[in-house]
Amino acid sequence: KNEVEQSPQNLTAQEGEFITINCSYSVGISALHWLQQHPGGGIVSLFMLSSGKKKHGRLIATINIQEKHSSLHITASHPRDSAVYICAVIGGNSGGSNYKLTFGKGTLLTVNP
Amino acid sequence: AAGVIQSPRHLIKEKRETATLKCYPIPRHDTVYWYQQGPGQDPQFLISFYEKMQSDKGSIPDRFSAQQFSDYHSELNMSSLELGDSALYFCASSPRSRGTQYFGPGTRLLVL
Repeated sequence: KNEVEQSPQNLTAQEGEFITINCSYSVGISALHWLQQHPGGGIVSLFMLSSGKKKHGRLIATINIQEKHSSLHITASHPRDSAVYICAVIGGNSGGSNYKLTFGKGTLLTVNP
Repeated sequence: AAGVIQSPRHLIKEKRETATLKCYPIPRHDTVYWYQQGPGQDPQFLISFYEKMQSDKGSIPDRFSAQQFSDYHSELNMSSLELGDSALYFCASSPRSRGTQYFGPGTRLLVL
């Protein structure tokens, strides 16, 4: 079983729809990243959070440490949001410089016009 | 704002050749991470450096080595390349006091 599980693996939506991508993890973490990767492209960090909720534009990320669960929401989705969204966690040993990421397998989001 | 720089962006090599990938972190970032992402795969952690010392090691083959230099840039040296080494290699940098990692654009390596 992977330490980081994402759902769904693939998601197709119509422009304007509200999108939710879920991430569950089985290990203790110090923080969680939501990342965006366009096909063949680099990785962009959208959020890093360790509690509560963060919002940036149309993107909202929440995390529940007790339930080991995080969600990424996209409001008023747009075709340019089409990308792979990856959940990645930083291990609970946040001492020293051990901030290596463990990645989920990603969610491929396609937003149709 | 300055971002993480990786060079080269694309590299084509033949089997058994060597390759060197470079990563230049954001100024004042002293930690560098290397990740490998095979075709259709999620990224896997290879190795990290903090203050020019190796800080953690993941699934890095013995054929690979890496180091961080006095100016904090890092190089990933890959020898005896195999077809399976074809992948996108990302580096990320972070300041020690925070966990946010900033990713470079990646180097796409193709081994023929």
